[in-house]
Amino acid sequence: EAGVTQFPSHSVIEKGQTVTLRCDPISGHDNLYWYRRVMGKEIKFLLHFVKESKQDESGMPNNRFLAERTGGTYSTLKVQPAELEDSGVYFCASSQIREGETQYFGPGTRLLVL
Amino acid sequence: RKEVEQDPGPFNVPEGATVAFNCTYSNSASQSFFWYRQDCRKEPKLLMSVYSSGNEDGRFTAQLNRASQYISLLIRDSKLSDSATYLCVVARGSSASKIIFGSGTRLSIRP
Repeated sequence: EAGVTQFPSHSVIEKGQTVTLRCDPISGHDNLYWYRRVMGKEIKFLLHFVKESKQDESGMPNNRFLAERTGGTYSTLKVQPAELEDSGVYFCASSQIREGETQYFGPGTRLLVL
Repeated sequence: RKEVEQDPGPFNVPEGATVAFNCTYSNSASQSFFWYRQDCRKEPKLLMSVYSSGNEDGRFTAQLNRASQYISLLIRDSKLSDSATYLCVVARGSSASKIIFGSGTRLSIRP
């Protein structure tokens, strides 16, 4: 069974540009999460989808970040315009709908904003 | 103060040694507890869940003390392949779906 996949694996952009990250969860997983790890800090929660609905977006840093999950399958996270402090590793995770289910992480997208 | 606190290490121990990691959490509403392992430049992977009764998986033993809001991980007979960063993770919220990561403890096993 395929795991969580993320694209691209790396992205280098200039400040002010737009970047869109994609996450494909494990098939059948209704829960989808985005996390971010900036240099030297712990992994932090960004938001949580249940199917196509945003269940919790309390971790989104500001309105430059937009996450979507149209159709309840894959999700995108767009950063527009990107700032230097957005650099980091963006992880996606998915889990089944049952309470307390293990979250399986994707390999992450390493974003560098210059 | 961080919601989940861990000693960052690094812990540098010889192969075969026993090593223990500790973690404290501040939110008493926390519902589920886990240890994840993260290898360099890789994603976190679940090592084990942590229960109040304590649980063991081979050389790994995890313990939870809800009264003290304290979680531990013990690794016995450490192997070179145990070298990694160990993340203490706490879940809360509806369906225990919001997970909070500690900053991780680095472990290096030397031959």
